[in-house]
Amino acid sequence: GAVVSQHPSWVICKSGTSVKIECRSLDFQATTMFWYRQFPKQSLMLMATSNEGSKATYEQGVEKDKFLINHASLTLSTLTVTSAHPEDSSFYICSARDGSSGLYNEQFFGPGTRLTVL
Amino acid sequence: AQSVTQLGSHVSVSEGALVLLRCNYSSSVPPYLFWYVQYPNQGLQLLLKYTSAATLVKGINGFEAEFKKSETSFHLTKPSAHMSDAAEYFCAVSEQAGTALIFGKGTTLSVSS
Repeated sequence: GAVVSQHPSWVICKSGTSVKIECRSLDFQATTMFWYRQFPKQSLMLMATSNEGSKATYEQGVEKDKFLINHASLTLSTLTVTSAHPEDSSFYICSARDGSSGLYNEQFFGPGTRLTVL
Repeated sequence: AQSVTQLGSHVSVSEGALVLLRCNYSSSVPPYLFWYVQYPNQGLQLLLKYTSAATLVKGINGFEAEFKKSETSFHLTKPSAHMSDAAEYFCAVSEQAGTALIFGKGTTLSVSS
């Protein structure tokens, strides 16, 4: 099956710093990638949809200047949390859509990145 | 607007017992429905999906789910629970192929010996 990786898997940073999280599709081309956020013991909430070569579409309530998303290639999307604060601490999960998989373009999820802001 | 409701945030069963995790959806069009499993500090693994083919969908690890349009349900079942099934389970819906998923709040499955 298709594999999606995320790096890093765990990051701890100081308040005010920026953190970049990478999402890669390892064996397929991802025309669309999605970024989700999951707080402890809660469900996944969609943050933004990222299409290769175009600007990301953010969900209501998600600050696009704080959560910068870049999808520069068909295998890589990055999420940068700028000026991170403790309330940004969360589990960030990406998923990638295989644009060549037929009638239904299944999404494949990465393993997630745990961000802790001190 | 589409939505998913998972009844029961926590389900406990004995090893070997039937597993039933409930999911009801709301959608204005025939939906795509999914069940995912998540182990602690890990991403999501797809158990099975409904994409308007057979209403009874078989997935991995012995799980299956039945799409019932009249009840707007997509409950997940497994005839005999195993200790390794203990995890968080999420039901999700999308109205269009390949669009972002809307997740339910999740159900924690505990399996006791």
